[in-house]
Amino acid sequence: QVQLVESGGGVVQPGGSLRLSCTASGFIFSSYGMHWVRQAPGKGLEWVSFMRYDGSNTYYVDSVKGRFTISRDNSKNTLYLQMNSLRAEDTAVYYCAKDRSGSSGYFFDSWGQGTLVTVSS
Amino acid sequence: DIQMTQSPSSLSASVGDRVTITCRASQSISPYVNWYQQRPGKAPKLLIYAASSLQSGVPSRFSGSRSGTDFTLTISSLQPEDFATYYCQQCNSTPYTFGQGTKLEIK
Repeated sequence: QVQLVESGGGVVQPGGSLRLSCTASGFIFSSYGMHWVRQAPGKGLEWVSFMRYDGSNTYYVDSVKGRFTISRDNSKNTLYLQMNSLRAEDTAVYYCAKDRSGSSGYFFDSWGQGTLVTVSS
Repeated sequence: DIQMTQSPSSLSASVGDRVTITCRASQSISPYVNWYQQRPGKAPKLLIYAASSLQSGVPSRFSGSRSGTDFTLTISSLQPEDFATYYCQQCNSTPYTFGQGTKLEIK
């Protein structure tokens, strides 16, 4: 069955950096687009970023553009999110999610359990 | 950006009730609207995709529909495990925005 496991969360000071990983299994990772979605404590879901199956195109929500970078290594079945210049408002649980499509957003049919990022001094 | 205005933000209902949750898109969009259920401390789970298609394994008491820019999730007969928070989402264009969520509570 599909499994997505996020890692790399933790506590970081404002202005710091963190890299999240999402290791996939149970499906052909290189065939599907992948997303990052976050949820601030007690708040709703916010889509963060998407990468096509082959890494050829990436998309971001405006609030993270220029600070976050999504990437993937299809040989390792792993999705990444490099987060730089972190702010308090980036504090959230970060989920990776698999899209049904390879090339654009369609629907998110599998989710990881999430990893908590806390930005605080 | 496309805004998804979800209502109500909270809802109290009883087991066996029929409930409806609505999302209104801020502009005309394709039917790439999805619905997710999230239980406390858990990841979201896909219920409905493309406005009205039931995800595999999801009980048939869940259904979705569309009328213009209004998208609706209906639960025909609430079960105890359905008390959770529900989100709509549009995948018509980036950013793939979610509605604010509807918390469904036991009356």
